[in-house]
Amino acid sequence: DTGVSQDPRHKITKRGQNVTFRCDPISEHNRLYWYRQTLGQGPEFLTYFQNEAQLEKSRLLSDRFSAERPKGSFSTLEIQRTEQGDSAMYLCASSNRVVQETQYFGPGTRLLVL
Amino acid sequence: DQQVKQNSPSLSVQEGRISILNCDYTNSMFDYFLWYKKYPAEGPTFLISISSIKDKNEDGRFTVFLNKSAKHLSLHIVPSQPGDSAVYFCAAVTTSGTYKYIFGTGTRLKVLA
Repeated sequence: DTGVSQDPRHKITKRGQNVTFRCDPISEHNRLYWYRQTLGQGPEFLTYFQNEAQLEKSRLLSDRFSAERPKGSFSTLEIQRTEQGDSAMYLCASSNRVVQETQYFGPGTRLLVL
Repeated sequence: DQQVKQNSPSLSVQEGRISILNCDYTNSMFDYFLWYKKYPAEGPTFLISISSIKDKNEDGRFTVFLNKSAKHLSLHIVPSQPGDSAVYFCAAVTTSGTYKYIFGTGTRLKVLA
């Protein structure tokens, strides 16, 4: 069991550029979540997939954000036209069918928008 | 509207003593609660959880207590060890929905050797 992995771990970009992050959940976990964490705050829910279906999106997820999970395995989170306010740690978590309450988090992708 | 609150941003405890971390919530629909531990530059690591049908859950040195009437939960670590130094987040879930977590803002625990 390799756990949840995320790539890249760090990303520095200029304002206005597009960025894409990848999350590989624990094998056979059907639920996948994206959260965002800013300094001094707890993680905040962004969106949730059950298999390949995106079932909920937070109002934090503006139209510049899009997430996909095309085959129900890995997921991508894209931010278009990045803004300095997008600088944060982006966390991915997954959970399985049996113990749906417990989510296992990846190491996160730290984004810095200059 | 902060539905889950951790009012102590930091806590220092001597090694070997008890650490008590507190968490309050406002939404009575929450029925499952978890504690996560986070080291710098890493994702949160699951520690312990409790369902609302229980008032206590133990796992080794870690015990979580839930007081539903007060909408309060606490994490006890006994005995505290220097390796426990980290940021601790409580999270609350409504299991009839998507299981999305609502997190508190965290408490930084420092265990002094």
